[in-house]
Amino acid sequence: EAGVAQSPRYKIIEKRQSVAFWCNPISGHATLYWYQQILGQGPKLLIQFQNNGVVDDSQLPKDRFSAERLKGVDSTLKIQPAKLEDSAVYLCASSLGQGSHEQYFGPGTRLTVT
Amino acid sequence: AQSVTQLGSHVSVSEGALVLLRCNYSSSVPPYLFWYVQYPNQGLQLLLKYTTGATLVKGINGFEAEFKKSETSFHLTKPSAHMSDAAEYFCAVTSDFQKLVFGTGTRLLVSP
Repeated sequence: EAGVAQSPRYKIIEKRQSVAFWCNPISGHATLYWYQQILGQGPKLLIQFQNNGVVDDSQLPKDRFSAERLKGVDSTLKIQPAKLEDSAVYLCASSLGQGSHEQYFGPGTRLTVT
Repeated sequence: AQSVTQLGSHVSVSEGALVLLRCNYSSSVPPYLFWYVQYPNQGLQLLLKYTTGATLVKGINGFEAEFKKSETSFHLTKPSAHMSDAAEYFCAVTSDFQKLVFGTGTRLLVSP
């Protein structure tokens, strides 16, 4: 079974530029999560999708971050414009659905904003 | 609100020694608890989880953890450390299997 795929693995941009990350969850997984992991901290949930609907985006900085999962499968997370404090690893995870116990994580995208 | 505290950002052990990584949680409702491991440049991998039932939970790679409600703890242990155990370990809590709240992580260093 293929795992959660993310691209790119690394990205370096200057502040005020825009960037997009892509995630393809495990086949059949209805729930998709985006986490931000700042160096030295644990992952923090940014947004959760159930199929193509948003379940929780309470910690998503909506003035600069956006995410979509139009067909209920893969998802993109965008930052526009980026700030220095956005430097982090962005992790995508998926699970079978609400009530499922386990989230499966992708390898992450390491973003450096200079 | 739920939270997790992991005592010690770094833990160093010798190969073959006992591994003990501490996790205390705060939750107003019965918690579900998880330990994840993260190797360099990789995503998180589930080691073990406590949902209901037996409070001593066994996971992969010889790790286990015990849920102690009276102490609000879920410490991770392994009897004998191996070099390949060197990684970052995260404890996480949820009440509804949706929003995982992670601790700040503990980096395990294993020396020969």
